[in-house]
This record gives sequence, C-alpha cells and structure tokens, in this order.
Amino acid sequence: ETGVTQSPTHLIKTRGQQVTLRCSSQSGHNTVSWYQQALGQGPQFIFQYYREEENGRGNFPPRFSGLQFPNYSSELNVNALELDDSALYLCASSLDAGGINQPQHFGDGTRLSIL
Amino acid sequence: GESVGLHLPTLSVQEGDNSIINCAYSNSASDYFIWYKQESGKGPQFIIDIRSNMDKRQGQRVTVLLNKTVKHLSLQIAATQPGDSAVYFCAENEGQAGTALIFGKGTTLSVSS
Repeated sequence: ETGVTQSPTHLIKTRGQQVTLRCSSQSGHNTVSWYQQALGQGPQFIFQYYREEENGRGNFPPRFSGLQFPNYSSELNVNALELDDSALYLCASSLDAGGINQPQHFGDGTRLSIL
Repeated sequence: GESVGLHLPTLSVQEGDNSIINCAYSNSASDYFIWYKQESGKGPQFIIDIRSNMDKRQGQRVTVLLNKTVKHLSLQIAATQPGDSAVYFCAENEGQAGTALIFGKGTTLSVSS
C-alpha cells in the first residue's frame, strides 16, 4: 500500500510569488484535504477535495486554491505569497465511505519558506 | 478551546512507565476523534480513532477514552518506549462526516531510558 506522497519537500519563495504544491493520495483513497501547520502549532484545515470539487473550506483567503485530478491526486496553489505563509503544508487522504468518518492519513508535508 | 488544567504542553516519563495525554475538545456536536503522533520533520501519523457512540477503544499498547459529558479525550500509552517520543495531537471532526479535522494543542512526550 502506497502512502501519501508530497512534492517538493522544501521550497523557498519570495513575497508576491506564486507556488504549487502537489500530493498523491494513498491508494484506495478518494478524498484529499490540505492543512497548514505553523511552527509549534497544530495543523489548520485549508480545504478538502472530493470528486474533483471543493468539499469544505477553512478560514483561508481565496488566494489559496486547489485542484483534484481524476486519479485523486491534488494540487494546492497559493498566489501573492506573504511572509505569514511560511509553514509546513500537509496533505491528507481518506476514503469517503458514504457519510461514515474514516481516518485521514498524512504525508510528510512541504516546508515552504517565504523570504 | 482548551480547558485550563487539562492540557499539558509537555510530558516527561521514564521508559516502561504508562503515559496519559489529555485533550479537551470544543464542539459538543463532534462525533469522531483521532489521535496523531508527529515526529520531527514528519507528518502526523494516525494512532487510533474513536466514534462518539463509544467511550473506550484499545489498540496495540494504546487506549483512547472519551468523556462526552465534559468533552474530554485521553490517550494512554502502556509501557512507554523511547520511540514514543513525539508531539501528540488530538483532532475532532466538526461538521459533516469526512470534512475538516480540528486539531488541539499538541503535547510533547519525552521518554528517557
């Protein structure tokens, strides 16, 4: 069973730039969620994708956007990067089982640093 | 939010001791709870979950207890090992099944041999 994989592992950008982070879900999973984890904090929910559509969104501005592809992989895009966007970005996949909660399994994240 | 006095940001134990990590959750409507372990440089790793229709669930060396009356969750680790050293997070599912996980403040567990 292949786990959740994310790329790249590290990335350095400057303010105002745009970034795309990628995630491959665990085999058999059809739902992908993205989280932002600041240093010393717990992960914060950004949004979730199911059947290639956004299925819930946290308190993040529209410059955070995403995609899910037919193979269930996903991208997180962030425009107009700000210094506060520096964080670990985590992707988690899960199986939507018709309304029954299933655990979300995380990748090791992309460490994004904004200069 | 967190209940003062229940959450300890750090916990230090000796190898072989039992560890208890506590968590207070915020939403009485939450019906699904998960414990994660996060090691340095890694993503959160699933440990055990529990649904709101249960008050106890056991795994390998771990037990989760759920008290819905006081909105409290605990993780018990038996015979703690140095490899258990990590940050532990509880998370609650808020809203419809399968959407956002809301994470509590983590507890850093340090195990000395």
